[in-house]
Amino acid sequence: SQQGEEDPQALSIQEGENATMNCSYKTSINNLQWYRQNSGRGLVHLILIRSNEREKHSGRLRVTLDTSKKSSSLLITASRAADTASYFCATPLSSGSARQLTFGSGTQLTVLP
Amino acid sequence: KAGVTQTPRYLIKTRGQQVTLSCSPISGHRSVSWYQQTPGQGLQFLFEYFSETQRNKGNFPGRFSGRQFSNSRSEMNVSTLELGDSALYLCASSLDGSRSGNTIYFGEGSWLTVV
Repeated sequence: SQQGEEDPQALSIQEGENATMNCSYKTSINNLQWYRQNSGRGLVHLILIRSNEREKHSGRLRVTLDTSKKSSSLLITASRAADTASYFCATPLSSGSARQLTFGSGTQLTVLP
Repeated sequence: KAGVTQTPRYLIKTRGQQVTLSCSPISGHRSVSWYQQTPGQGLQFLFEYFSETQRNKGNFPGRFSGRQFSNSRSEMNVSTLELGDSALYLCASSLDGSRSGNTIYFGEGSWLTVV
């Protein structure tokens, strides 16, 4: 069963704009990870945020985590055409191990030049 | 440091055949997991190995199996292939996968097409 769900399913923006993607999950977690996947490729790890963290930055990426609402958001600032990809949040399966991740269906981001 | 390496990248098999996919984790990583990605079901967990032992298994039939070697390299095998097994198979590795949460890194995947 899927633990996390991304919203929106698809997002199309102009280069230079900011893109925000949201993720909701169902059960308590100790961390949440965001990944990017270019078409036909593997998953690229973006950020891991722990349950005791509220916000984390990495370059043009900002991730927030609200454990009370069981939600997370990924903000990409000043987007580029190269950011076009699918973005997934992943959380540990509550009844399994931290290494068993569940994924949402992803947000397909298209950045138009 | 080399990333997670998966071979082969692409392969085509016929229904009823079997296939073996290989994964070399990041050096020093002892946990290896496998995932299946399809357009219909998305990303689904297959199984996870740590120190040559399977520690978790997803909801897949027994045709899907795997193993891990003493050098942490892992293989997964699918026997009696069905058309529905066509998918991108992703391998992931992490340091020791403690519950505190280690970053999990993925390889480029192996594209399997069953005809």
